[in-house]
Amino acid sequence: QSALTQPASVSGSPGQSITISCTGTSSDVGSYNYVSWYQQHPGKAPKLMIYDVSNRPSGVSNRFSGSKSGNTASLTISGLQAEDEADYYCNSYTGSSTPWVFGGGTKLTVL
Amino acid sequence: EVQLVESGGGLVQPGGSLRLSCAASGFTFSSYWMHWVRQAPGKGLVWVSRIHSDGSITNYADSVKGRFTISRDSAKNTLYLQMNSLRAEDTAVYYCARQRSGSNFDLWGQGTLVTVSS
Repeated sequence: QSALTQPASVSGSPGQSITISCTGTSSDVGSYNYVSWYQQHPGKAPKLMIYDVSNRPSGVSNRFSGSKSGNTASLTISGLQAEDEADYYCNSYTGSSTPWVFGGGTKLTVL
Repeated sequence: EVQLVESGGGLVQPGGSLRLSCAASGFTFSSYWMHWVRQAPGKGLVWVSRIHSDGSITNYADSVKGRFTISRDSAKNTLYLQMNSLRAEDTAVYYCARQRSGSNFDLWGQGTLVTVSS
């Protein structure tokens, strides 16, 4: 099972919006609404930001939103803040004997 | 407090074995699928293995199949990962994670570092 494809890096200025894409295949992202997004600061454990494509856990800012179209899922962060600078990973269910796959990660830089 | 705490990491020679533990507290451990996810130094997250809430179903990434074994002890509220025939490429921080539902991996441990080197 190949990793999902994410851009290596994205950047934006405070207050702007950015979108991170996560491209899979018709066997994973395209087939299931089981895509999640994780934020990871250096030296820290991942933190769940979005699950099941577009659901936000309690306590996560509504500046974070998720969507999906075909084989590509997206994470949008609006009103960028300095503390949003981190690595972001997508994750999808595959329905196979290796049921979960992560993306390669995207480094978000807040300029 | 709801938490997961990993332990058991360390330095091991190639071909050696190590058993990781993940102690769960503050929630009903026996109700959840549990997972191991690893991260090599400077690299991304990689899913490793999962186990059903009752231990009846296990799955593995191709890279560890036949070498790693996931298990759980509900009496001790502990998840395990037995790692055999370790290779340099298994060097990583290993995280345990709880799957609350769907793609909701809502609780993660702090990670434990495994270094495979001679």
